[in-house]
Formats: sequence, structure tokens, C-alpha cells
Amino acid sequence: EPEVTQTPSHQVTQMGQEVILRCVPISNHLYFYWYRQILGQKVEFLVSFYNNEISEKSEIFDDQFSVERPDGSNFTLKIRSTKLEDSAMYFCASKKLAGASTDTQYFGPGTRLTVL
Amino acid sequence: DAKTTQPPSMDCAEGRAANLPCNHSTISGNEYVYWYRQIHSQGPQYIIHGLKNNETNEMASLIITEDRKSSTLILPHATLRDTAVYYCIALNTGGFKTIFGAGTRLFVKA
Repeated sequence: EPEVTQTPSHQVTQMGQEVILRCVPISNHLYFYWYRQILGQKVEFLVSFYNNEISEKSEIFDDQFSVERPDGSNFTLKIRSTKLEDSAMYFCASKKLAGASTDTQYFGPGTRLTVL
Repeated sequence: DAKTTQPPSMDCAEGRAANLPCNHSTISGNEYVYWYRQIHSQGPQYIIHGLKNNETNEMASLIITEDRKSSTLILPHATLRDTAVYYCIALNTGGFKTIFGAGTRLFVKA
């Protein structure tokens, strides 16, 4: 069964450094998402991406964050200058298209980001 | 998307059915009821979804009341591996994002 994959599984970085989190969505999916979950808290929406542009973003997704689909298979989240409070699990998700019963998002296993 | 209300936690004995309730009294006609679960810190896992009719798949059954104001997720024979946080979400089919609440923490006990 196809699945969303994410790399790395764990990333440790120093405060102020740039990090890139990578995701490979399910191959025939058209919508891509990033969510994050700070330890002990809810899963929070960050951004959605469709047709090579951001569809929607949350207040969390400020200028420090960017997303890109650099080729036909990868979807990345870049944090330009990491802060301690960026430490969290980051989940990538994808879905095939909107409408009817096919509107199901599938999530990857996550990348644990630790900012020191 | 409609707000959903779930109990914060539930217990279930291994081998018994786990019935997880969800209230979504403000759900609109084009919103589906979706269930996901999250085992420890893993990515949310899709379980099942429905609009009006009851649904069943290899993981669970979903019972939606006739007025669509509430639903119940049923795990027919819970195992220890079903211990997780279960999220009930009312989702517009055109919506781009999924809003997660606190969910129900299900403890399956031996």
C-alpha cells in the first residue's frame, strides 16, 4: 500500500540554523500539507500546497517557514532560522483531490526536530 | 468545519468492543465525519469516514445517527495495539486542512 515517507526521522540542530525537512507524498496525490505537534499538544496545521503554490497557511507559518516541491516527488519544509520553540514533530500529509469520499489525507511517520 | 466533542479518555478490556462516541451537533450537510488515530508520537492514521450511512472496513465500524449530530467509532475486538488517541473530525470535502482536537485517549487493558 502506498504511503507518505519522511526524512530524516530525527533532526537535531542548533538554534539559528536552517533545516530542511523532506517528504515524499503518495505518487498520484495532488495536495500536500505540513502539520506539527509540540510534545504533549495537539496536531496543528501549518500549510497546504496545491498546484505549486500555497493554498492556505496558519498563523504559525510565518516568514521563517517556506515550502517547496523541487521535483515531481519531493515536498520540503524549510525553517530558515530555527528557534527553541520550533522543537516538535513535523508531519507531512497528502491527499488525492478534493471532493466526495476520496478526500482523505494520509500522514507520514513524522520528523522529530530538536533545536538546542 | 464543525466542532466535535469527545470524552478525554476511555478504558476498554482487551478482546472487547471499544465504542468511542463523538458529538458533532453543528455539522453541516456537506461535512463528512472522519476518524483518525495517533499511536504514541506516530503520524495520524486514517481509520474510516462517512457522510450519512454506517460504514465498515477492516479496522472499524462507524455508526452515524440519523440526524448526523453524533457518531460512534467501534473497534470490534480491541487489542493492546489499539491503545492510542482517537480523533473525530468533521471535514468539508473541499477543505484543505484538518483541524485536530484533543481526541479521546483509549487505553486497552489486558
